[in-house]
Amino acid sequence: QVQLQESGPGLVRPSETLSLTCTVSGDPISNHYWSWIRQSPGKGLEWIGYVYYTGATNYNPSLKTRVTVSMDTSKNQFSLALNSVIAADAGTYFCARAKRGYTYLFESWGQGTLVTVAS
Amino acid sequence: SFDLTQPASVSVSPGQTATITCSGSNLGNQFTCWYQQRPGQSPVVVIYQDTKRPSGIPERFSGSISGNTATLTIYDTQAMDEADYYCQSWDTSTVVFGGGTKLTVL
Repeated sequence: QVQLQESGPGLVRPSETLSLTCTVSGDPISNHYWSWIRQSPGKGLEWIGYVYYTGATNYNPSLKTRVTVSMDTSKNQFSLALNSVIAADAGTYFCARAKRGYTYLFESWGQGTLVTVAS
Repeated sequence: SFDLTQPASVSVSPGQTATITCSGSNLGNQFTCWYQQRPGQSPVVVIYQDTKRPSGIPERFSGSISGNTATLTIYDTQAMDEADYYCQSWDTSTVVFGGGTKLTVL
């Protein structure tokens, strides 16, 4: 049973970079698409982007200019960097694994980590 | 990109059938899936590929699609089904989630 665990600072200052890591256990990070998804307080879900084990990436067009998703297969981790953060970037950030054979079916999720944007 | 529209809330009595719709111009071109999110928890897939149910999801959960509208139907609704439900699909460039429907079991 795969487990995903997000980690990173819970507080980020406006204009700085939000950096989160997802540590995957119970399954190698290969052969799956790995995504970041966020949820603003009291609101819905927003897909941020994915990295494939080959290193291929794809991002939400609305965030594309500020986002980088990368992978470290040696550590079985993947990461999110979101730069120039603003208040609207606050919320709970989830990492998720797509079901094998699918790109955008998120069958396994981390518990989520809350990020606050404030000076 | 495109939008997916869900009703903000649906109420149902225990044992009755709950119906949650999801409308979007791209539905029918790509598959739709549905997630259940209980308060304080991560989302869980309850329906994928429009109509398929993952292992471990009760048979009470059913998905269908007609034209540009996907529907999640929960038969014999239980108190434990009270949650937020999100539909999700994608196009060539991005993933889109519906705004979510709060299901209340009265």
